[in-house]
Amino acid sequence: AQRVTQPEKLLSVFKGAPVELKCNYSYSGSPELFWYVQYSRQRLQLLLRHISRESIKGFTADLNKGETSFHLKKPFAQEEDSAMYYCAHGSARQLTFGSGTQLTVLP
Amino acid sequence: DTGVSQNPRHKITKRGQNVTFRCDPISEHNRLYWYRQTLGQGPEFLTYFQNEAQLEKSRLLSDRFSAERPKGSFSTLEIQRTEQGDSAMYLCASSLKTGKSYNEQFFGPGTRLTVL
Repeated sequence: AQRVTQPEKLLSVFKGAPVELKCNYSYSGSPELFWYVQYSRQRLQLLLRHISRESIKGFTADLNKGETSFHLKKPFAQEEDSAMYYCAHGSARQLTFGSGTQLTVLP
Repeated sequence: DTGVSQNPRHKITKRGQNVTFRCDPISEHNRLYWYRQTLGQGPEFLTYFQNEAQLEKSRLLSDRFSAERPKGSFSTLEIQRTEQGDSAMYLCASSLKTGKSYNEQFFGPGTRLTVL
């Protein structure tokens, strides 16, 4: 079965510091991986997907098939990045989410 | 169109009662999904519709759960004989089928169910 693991439930960093949110997956085929974000009092929304290889709001994520990881990174965290982040594996039919990491960026 | 909408936003019910939730997807979206999210967990997939056809159901969807999308537009999720373990946030999402293998799912605000 597909599984997505986010080992950190909570992560705090200071403004301007680098941040890395970890995600590991278990899937034998070609994975389709995503990061979703939920800001306070807002709905869940797509942040980025591995296939597009783009940077959104300064965040990037690289798929490492050898380590089965898809960590989310940002070199300089901002206070507005504070949110709940979910890594997900999916297809057109469904998404499998990790349990999420609550990121807090301290002033 | 302001995105995916869900009603009600909150529902409190007594154990054993039936409840029904509604989801209105983004108007041109032909794919619709239901997820359930409990405290401290990510959303868990329940079921998927393409137009009016229910094409995928999770094993989480017990016999007490039924979902419909009769005209390929809005969808309803009914839970019969609710149990305390059904307390959760129920999320609906929609997407537009194109030639790509994956198309972004847009989520609604959710319906929070509390079973007393």
